[in-house]
Amino acid sequence: DTGVSQDPRHKITKRGQNVTFRCDPISEHNRLYWYRQTLGQGPEFLTYFQNEAQLEKSRLLSDRFSAERPKGSFSTLEIQRTEQGDSAMYLCASSLGGTIPYFGPGTRLTVT
Amino acid sequence: AQKITQTQPGMFVQKKEAVTLDCTYDTSDPSYGLFWYKQPSSGEMIFLIYQGSYDQQNATEGRYSLNFQKARKSANLVISASQLGDSAMYFCAMRENIQGAQKLVFGQGTRLTINP
Repeated sequence: DTGVSQDPRHKITKRGQNVTFRCDPISEHNRLYWYRQTLGQGPEFLTYFQNEAQLEKSRLLSDRFSAERPKGSFSTLEIQRTEQGDSAMYLCASSLGGTIPYFGPGTRLTVT
Repeated sequence: AQKITQTQPGMFVQKKEAVTLDCTYDTSDPSYGLFWYKQPSSGEMIFLIYQGSYDQQNATEGRYSLNFQKARKSANLVISASQLGDSAMYFCAMRENIQGAQKLVFGQGTRLTINP
């Protein structure tokens, strides 16, 4: 039983570039969540999907951010025109319905 | 308003001792869930234990137990017989059921260091 996987694990990019992260949830988990964690803070909710439908978005998710889950399986999070303030750990989690969310290893983004 | 408060930025304990990590929460929703996650230096959030607001008994999972005091709105994590591998950040989180909200709200975390 594989857990949540995320790719890449680390990403270094220059300010102004676009980046895309991928999350593969636990098989058959219909809910998928994205969180952002900055240094020294707890994770903050960004958005969540039930199957392919994006049902909730945080105000943290500016118009430079877009998330998709086209077939209700894996999800992508894209950040356009990255800024230094986007440097953070991006965490993905999945759950079966309203049960326990299990997290992936995260993608650490550094914007230079 | 802060929904989850973890007042201990850091805790230091000797190996084999028990340790209590504090968590208080604020909600007006009668139905909610409380979670504890462990985050080692590698970054992954590892689920430890869950307590539902209607659960009659305190949750336990191996060496982890949750001291749930509903009237005081506290959900402290107790780790018994601590091990060196317990050194990590620990986060308390809450999920409310208001309007079907599914997000977890996390506290600031407590860094636990186990001394040999």
